Amino acid sequence: EVQLVESGGGLVQPGGSLRLSCAVSGFAVRSQYMSWVRQAPGKGLEWVSVIYTAGTTYYADSVKGRFTISRDNSKNTVSLQIHNLRVEDTAIYYCARDIDEAVTTLGFWGQGTLVTVSS
Amino acid sequence: QSALTQPASVSGSPGQSITISCTGTSSDIGGYSYVSWYQQHPGKVPKLLIFEVNNRPSGVSDRFSGSESGNTASLIISGLQAEDAADYYCSSYTNRNFLVFGTGTRVTVL
Repeated sequence: EVQLVESGGGLVQPGGSLRLSCAVSGFAVRSQYMSWVRQAPGKGLEWVSVIYTAGTTYYADSVKGRFTISRDNSKNTVSLQIHNLRVEDTAIYYCARDIDEAVTTLGFWGQGTLVTVSS
Repeated sequence: QSALTQPASVSGSPGQSITISCTGTSSDIGGYSYVSWYQQHPGKVPKLLIFEVNNRPSGVSDRFSGSESGNTASLIISGLQAEDAADYYCSSYTNRNFLVFGTGTRVTVL
């Protein structure tokens, strides 16, 4: 069974840093396209970042230069390092996986971890 | 990058059909057939409904279908049911940086 479990969220001051982690089971992170998606309170979904099976990474313009996605194949985890946090980064952060039929489709989601940026 | 444009809300009576539009550009919807649709109930995780414009994953009701024309994709919900009341999001591959979501549409069942 495919499972994704995020951790690492919390309350952080503006300008601070945080590292989110996504532990998966039922598949290997190195074999799938893994994304982070966020949702601000009461707002819509925003795609944040992806790491391809080949290791290529892409970011939304709103986070480029501050967020870094990575994976640890030995631990079967994907991480999102966040620097210089802003109030507008406050959101639930979801880890999501593609489906075998379509790498641009997010077919499996974790429950999310809440990041709150406030002084 | 700008989000894909969806109507803020759509409503319908039980048994009716409704259509949710999703408008992008030639850099995303218009250039690729990689549109997906997701359903999200309040406080829940998004659920995949449609992928690659008009394909349903196993287990998704055939009351949900998709189409695409030019820079606009559409989700059609037929035989509307009370449980269909939720937020719906489209997404598309974009050649700018991989993926972009729509602004979201709240469906109300009257």
